[in-house]
Amino acid sequence: DVVMTQTPVSLSLAIGQPASISCKSSQSLLGTSGKTFLNWILQRPGQSPKRLIYQVSKLYSEVPDRFSGSGSETEFTLKISRVEAEDLGVYYCWQGTHFPHAFGSGTKLEIK
Amino acid sequence: EVQLVESGGGLVQPGRSLKLSCAASGFTFSNYYMAWVRQAPTKGLEWVASITNSGGSTYYRDSVKGRFTISRDNAKSTLYLQMDSLRSEDTATYYCTRDVGGYWGQGVMVTVSS
Repeated sequence: DVVMTQTPVSLSLAIGQPASISCKSSQSLLGTSGKTFLNWILQRPGQSPKRLIYQVSKLYSEVPDRFSGSGSETEFTLKISRVEAEDLGVYYCWQGTHFPHAFGSGTKLEIK
Repeated sequence: EVQLVESGGGLVQPGRSLKLSCAASGFTFSNYYMAWVRQAPTKGLEWVASITNSGGSTYYRDSVKGRFTISRDNAKSTLYLQMDSLRSEDTATYYCTRDVGGYWGQGVMVTVSS
C-alpha cells in the first residue's frame, strides 16, 4: 500500500508570509493513464473538508491563485505565496492513483 | 450547484449495523466515481471505500473489508455505505465525496458504543 508522509506537522505564520507543505509517497503516483492523482484538501476548523488542488497542480476555479501545487512521481509540494487569515486550518494531501487511497497525516496552519 | 447530503448516522452498539446514505444533486451522478472518507474525533482524514461510476467495481481499506459495503443507485443519485459488525474504532464523522475529493458532503456522525 502507498504511504503518504506529510511535513511539517504544523506551521505558525504571520499574514503575508509564504507557506510550504511537503507530501511524499512511498511509490510513484503516476498512473497508467499518464495522470497523477495527487490532490490537496483544506479543512477549516469546524468545517467539512474542501478541495484546493487536483492532479498535482490544477487549482479548482474558486481557489485563489496564491495557492500552487507542484511535484511529480513521489514528491509533491503545496505552496501559499502569502498567507491570509482565511487560510488557517489543516491541509491534507490525498493520493488517488492507487487503491487503497491514502491521505497524508495533515499539516495544521496557524496564523500568528 | 453540486450538493452531497449524508444521512443515516447515529449511536449504535458494537456488533450492530448501520446504513449511511448520500443524496447527490447538481451533477450527473452516474458519470462519477464516489467515495466515503471518515474522520475519527480529533484525528485526520481516512479513506474508507470507493466505487466506480457504474458500480461495477468497489475498493475498501483493509480494516473495513468484509464488514462494510459501498453501493450506489444511479437512478436515485444516491450513494450508500452498509456498515456491519461495527466496532468502537469505526466511530467517526463519515463524509461522502465525489471523485478524489472534488466535492464533499457535510458529514454524518457515527458513534459505536455500548
